[in-house]
Amino acid sequence: EAGVAQSPRYKIIEKRQSVAFWCNPISGHATLYWYQQILGQGPKLLIQFQNNGVVDDSQLPKDRFSAERLKGVDSTLKIQPAKLEDSAVYLCASSRGGNVSYNEQFFGPGTRLTVL
Amino acid sequence: KNQVEQSPQSLIILEGKNCTLQCNYTVSPFSNLRWYKQDTGRGPVSLTIMTFSENTKSNGRYTATLDADTKQSSLHITASQLSDSASYICVVSAGGNQFYFGTGTSLTVIP
Repeated sequence: EAGVAQSPRYKIIEKRQSVAFWCNPISGHATLYWYQQILGQGPKLLIQFQNNGVVDDSQLPKDRFSAERLKGVDSTLKIQPAKLEDSAVYLCASSRGGNVSYNEQFFGPGTRLTVL
Repeated sequence: KNQVEQSPQSLIILEGKNCTLQCNYTVSPFSNLRWYKQDTGRGPVSLTIMTFSENTKSNGRYTATLDADTKQSSLHITASQLSDSASYICVVSAGGNQFYFGTGTSLTVIP
């Protein structure tokens, strides 16, 4: 099966600019996650969708970050305006969702954001 | 508080040598524990999954152990290769879609 797709792979912007990332999960996967991974750290969950509804966005900086998954398939994550500390890799992952035992997350390659 | 801690933070070993990475967790309830390998510039890829009743599981040169009583897991890499250079992340699931990530161990294998 095709994996999780993300674009762009790399993005360099100046602070206060806006940026958007796109993710297409594995077909049939109901749950979609966006993670922020700062260099040398483990991924930190930003937002989790179940189909097109938000399950957890408690760690999403809502004053500048937004995400949507309108049709319950692909998703976009936006940062507006960006700050220097937003420099990180943004990982998208998907899983089958529901009450499935051994639910596995499959990760995309990530988007490396550099804010200057 | 649900936490996953990994050690060491980084490790450098010679090609052909063995190494062991550690993961301690306080996640409850516990569903399963996965070890992921993350190559530079790529997303994490699952190596093994351990459930409550499993003590040891192997995937080629990778062997994971789990002690559910002490809430500890280890990942042993045998006869390391240059391609093993990566970050290794321990992820504990509390069931459903709740996942707790460790900060990872950065492994460098040198010739």
